Amino acid sequence: SQQGEEDPQALSIQEGENATMNCSYKTSINNLQWYRQNSGRGLVHLILIRSNEREKHSGRLRVTLDTSKKSSSLLITASRAADTASYFCATPSRGSGGSNYKLTFGKGTLLTVNP
Amino acid sequence: NAGVTQTPKFQVLKTGQSMTLQCAQDMNHEYMSWYRQDPGMGLRLIHYSVGAGITDQGEVPNGYNVSRSTTEDFPLRLLSAAPSQTSVYFCASSYYTVALNSPLHFGNGTRLTVT
Repeated sequence: SQQGEEDPQALSIQEGENATMNCSYKTSINNLQWYRQNSGRGLVHLILIRSNEREKHSGRLRVTLDTSKKSSSLLITASRAADTASYFCATPSRGSGGSNYKLTFGKGTLLTVNP
Repeated sequence: NAGVTQTPKFQVLKTGQSMTLQCAQDMNHEYMSWYRQDPGMGLRLIHYSVGAGITDQGEVPNGYNVSRSTTEDFPLRLLSAAPSQTSVYFCASSYYTVALNSPLHFGNGTRLTVT
């Protein structure tokens, strides 16, 4: 089963507005990652937040992590039409052998920014 | 640097045929993985590897084989293609740490259709 789940599934906003996406996960983690995917392309890494961090910024992106609630949020401020994409959270979890970690993704949030 | 290179970009197979999707990276990454992406399902992990000679199953491994004889290459083999394997396949790699706290680098995908 997938570890992380994004909410909402789809979000439509106007240029200049802020966009907030949420991610909930099931088991304890040591980090959480956010990725963006433009239509038909490979995913691009946006930001990684470690379990001992509560907030992280990168340009217009702000990520928060609440390990007590097992949730994270991605905020994009002053959105642009070029931000239109799908956004995914990803978390590491132990593989079936119990030793090696693997990275699993949620189903994503489709963000549409209207000009 | 080329990053993560996937070939082919497109492939059409008939049911029962076999084929190998190629993935190569030139970043000396220990961790490599294969995902499939289907509408509404997000990315699902097929197989992953934390180094040469080491592979493990992900969420949806049935019908796929992998091997990792070199650090650079991680081919995905479809043994007997089925229409349910119609999907977009992504290969991704990263430096490997015990906590898997390095970002993944993705290839541009292989779009596979099985008729």
